[in-house]
Amino acid sequence: AQKVTQAQTEISVVEKEDVTLDCVYETRDTTYYLFWYKQPPSGELVFLIRRNSFDEQNEISGRYSWNFQKSTSSFNFTITASQVVDSAVYFCALSLDYGGSQGNLIFGKGTKLSVKP
Amino acid sequence: DVKVTQSSRYLVKRTGEKVFLECVQDMDHENMFWYRQDPGLGLRLIYFSYDVKMKEKGDIPEGYSVSREKKERFSLILESASTNQTSMYLCASSPYPETGSSYEQYFGPGTRLTVT
Repeated sequence: AQKVTQAQTEISVVEKEDVTLDCVYETRDTTYYLFWYKQPPSGELVFLIRRNSFDEQNEISGRYSWNFQKSTSSFNFTITASQVVDSAVYFCALSLDYGGSQGNLIFGKGTKLSVKP
Repeated sequence: DVKVTQSSRYLVKRTGEKVFLECVQDMDHENMFWYRQDPGLGLRLIYFSYDVKMKEKGDIPEGYSVSREKKERFSLILESASTNQTSMYLCASSPYPETGSSYEQYFGPGTRLTVT
């Protein structure tokens, strides 16, 4: 069975601090895809990143960076120099290859990040 | 940009009423999904559809049905609303994944349904 665990339910930081959101996944498939979504207070989930299981290169996009480690089945998300606008619920998700799921996403329960001024 | 719209942001219904939640996407996506989101439980898949008139049960289909008569529209139906169906309902769409690929889902703004 597939599973995504986000052990941190809530995190609170002060603006300009760095913060890492953890994501651990479980699957026996060798081909899979990992995603991060952001849900601001407005409610709409916003896609942030997709990685496939064959690409372990870390990725950086501005203040955001992602660390994918197959050895520990983790796909962690770091926000550098956090800002109040980063306050949101962040979801990690897993999708299997076409043959397994037709594109269904398995979501973690989310981590609520509060960035205080 | 992909646009997924949902018919209402907020909805209040009475127990026993039949409730329709509508979702429309404008990117010609094959896949459409309905989730409910509850505190502490994350997003749970109710139903999905990968083609017109096709539907598949998700993790929590009980008490719900769906309809997809046109490619761009996916409706969630609560035949007889109950208080435990009070929740945030999110619709999403994505292209149908080719072999060896997967696509991100694009979400609508959500409908917060209260059943009293």
